[in-house]
Amino acid sequence: DSGVTQTPKHLITATGQRVTLRCSPRSGDLSVYWYQQSLDQGLQFLIQYYNGEERAKGNILERFSAQQFPDLHSELNLSSLELGDSALYFCASSRLPENTEAFFGQGTRLTVV
Amino acid sequence: DQQVKQNSPSLSVQEGRISILNCDYTNSMFDYFLWYKKYPAEGPTFLISISSIKDKNEDGRFTVFLNKSAKHLSLHIVPSQPGDSAVYFCAARGSGSARQLTFGSGTQLTVLP
Repeated sequence: DSGVTQTPKHLITATGQRVTLRCSPRSGDLSVYWYQQSLDQGLQFLIQYYNGEERAKGNILERFSAQQFPDLHSELNLSSLELGDSALYFCASSRLPENTEAFFGQGTRLTVV
Repeated sequence: DQQVKQNSPSLSVQEGRISILNCDYTNSMFDYFLWYKKYPAEGPTFLISISSIKDKNEDGRFTVFLNKSAKHLSLHIVPSQPGDSAVYFCAARGSGSARQLTFGSGTQLTVLP
């Protein structure tokens, strides 16, 4: 158990819909990262927050947004969903923003039908 | 443009023998490299890392070698055990202000009893 909690574990939704994925970081970790893993692909970095502020942005679509709340949990919002958004979405956390060792949650498997 | 490549999607090794997983990168600005292990239905788990100023780091059965001139990273597992069967991802950290990790596509290691 990495200490990072992601909910829900599975999500099935229709095209055009909007979903919210939730992540609770390990106790004491201030930095949260979101990654997308499509079929047979590596993990693609989406976005990083540190202590409530956006710190880095990767290949995140404009239809996607995220935030980190004062209690340090984070949410990833995916809107106008397309079939190609079907993927595993991982959240990771680390104590510092330098990302030398991030702990990953179990992921949320999103299926868009 | 894949900056981190794992060219072998799979590798099979006999129990007790050495497993060697390889990773190549193209960005000379990466300053830190990590290996993660992933079991099915779980998030990636940090395994071992190495700074770009070193050429070797060892932790028990796991050793990571870095050849900066060749932009090549390898993970050695000795001796290999059936429980090591998993997908292994290498990742590289950018050295700029945005220190996100860039992941390879992973290598499925199967250790045969």
